[in-house]
Amino acid sequence: EAGVAQSPRYKIIEKRQSVAFWCNPISGHATLYWYQQILGQGPKLLIQFQNNGVVDDSQLPKDRFSAERLKGVDSTLKIQPAKLEDSAVYLCASSLAKGSGRDTQYFGPGTRLTVL
Amino acid sequence: GQSLEQPSEVTAVEGAIVQINCTYQTSGFYGLSWYQQHDGGAPTFLSYNALDGLEETGRFSSFLSRSDSYGYLLLQELQMKDSASYFCAVRDRNTGGFKTIFGAGTRLFVKA
Repeated sequence: EAGVAQSPRYKIIEKRQSVAFWCNPISGHATLYWYQQILGQGPKLLIQFQNNGVVDDSQLPKDRFSAERLKGVDSTLKIQPAKLEDSAVYLCASSLAKGSGRDTQYFGPGTRLTVL
Repeated sequence: GQSLEQPSEVTAVEGAIVQINCTYQTSGFYGLSWYQQHDGGAPTFLSYNALDGLEETGRFSSFLSRSDSYGYLLLQELQMKDSASYFCAVRDRNTGGFKTIFGAGTRLFVKA
């Protein structure tokens, strides 16, 4: 079974530029998550999709971040314009969870973003 | 609000046993998970507890006490490859549905 795929693996941009990340979840997984992980901290949820609907985007800085999940499969996360504090690893995860309690999340390798 | 607390670092010797504690405060607690993350790697799922008691999976065990809002991960027969960060994550249920909140992580150093 293929895992969660993410691209690119690394990205270096200057502040005020825009960047996009792509995620392809495990086939059949209804729920997709985007996390931001700053060095030395735990993953912080940015947005959660169930199929192609948004379940939780309460911590997404909507003035600069946007995300979509077309056709309930793969997803893109965009930052425009980027700030220095956006430097982090952006993790995508997916799970079978369909509103259930137990939620085993499978993570992709992440995209390491450096904003200069 | 919701909060999780776990020690920032733990050091142990190869072959020993180590316990990583996690205390939580949430309004709609449903279950507690543990994830392992090696440097530069992705978090990987280790265990999940929804009911009080101990769950064992090989060298790793996880414990939950709902009344004490407390859980721990127990690692036995430590190996060098166990050096990693360990995150507890609360599964919380509220009016908006289910949400998973991760702790800040405990960095485990295993010495020879």
